[in-house]
Amino acid sequence: DGGITQSPKYLFRKEGQNVTLSCEQNLNHDAMYWYRQDPGQGLRLIYYSQIVNDFQKGDIAEGYSVSREKKESFPLTVTSAQKNPTAFYLCASRNGDGDNSPLHFGNGTRLTVT
Amino acid sequence: KNEVEQSPQNLTAQEGEFITINCSYSVGISALHWLQQHPGGGIVSLFMLSSGKKKHGRLIATINIQEKHSSLHITASHPRDSAVYICAVTEYGNKLVFGAGTILRVKS
Repeated sequence: DGGITQSPKYLFRKEGQNVTLSCEQNLNHDAMYWYRQDPGQGLRLIYYSQIVNDFQKGDIAEGYSVSREKKESFPLTVTSAQKNPTAFYLCASRNGDGDNSPLHFGNGTRLTVT
Repeated sequence: KNEVEQSPQNLTAQEGEFITINCSYSVGISALHWLQQHPGGGIVSLFMLSSGKKKHGRLIATINIQEKHSSLHITASHPRDSAVYICAVTEYGNKLVFGAGTILRVKS
């Protein structure tokens, strides 16, 4: 079955360490997104990519980095510069950013930094 | 003020009840999405609509473009409907803006 796989489901890190969250999709979607979800708030866009080897900052990109070397993969690195990294991270994809095709989401990674 | 407001924030219903969740937005949009997030965290797209009404099983979504308002209805609610329901809009320029979600609990 086609879908989006995020791993790991739970991740624990010490403050000051970089950590990379995995996102893989086999839907052949061009556009991929990373969102952050905090309690009581809507999802906020961190980074997005419309095509391989290209990506743009979202609303809260500071302290994060991404790469898009393959169409299927869009890993997110949470760096030590991110002031408040503990959150639930969701990866999504859709068939092109220019139309209103529905979003497909992964099951998320819950990151806890202590 | 958020661009997308949902109400209520929390909703508890008895099994079998008719449920309505509301979404209001303040910007011009090309589409509105209703999403469902289960306790495990994964999100599923329920509806995407730009006018009128859509129905899927016991779920009905409506949108009034002039009033900038949408509703999600659940008929004959069941405990398995317990989840967070999220409204999101696609603004012109394709930016997605999400509401904070409505936490629904259906008791048996």
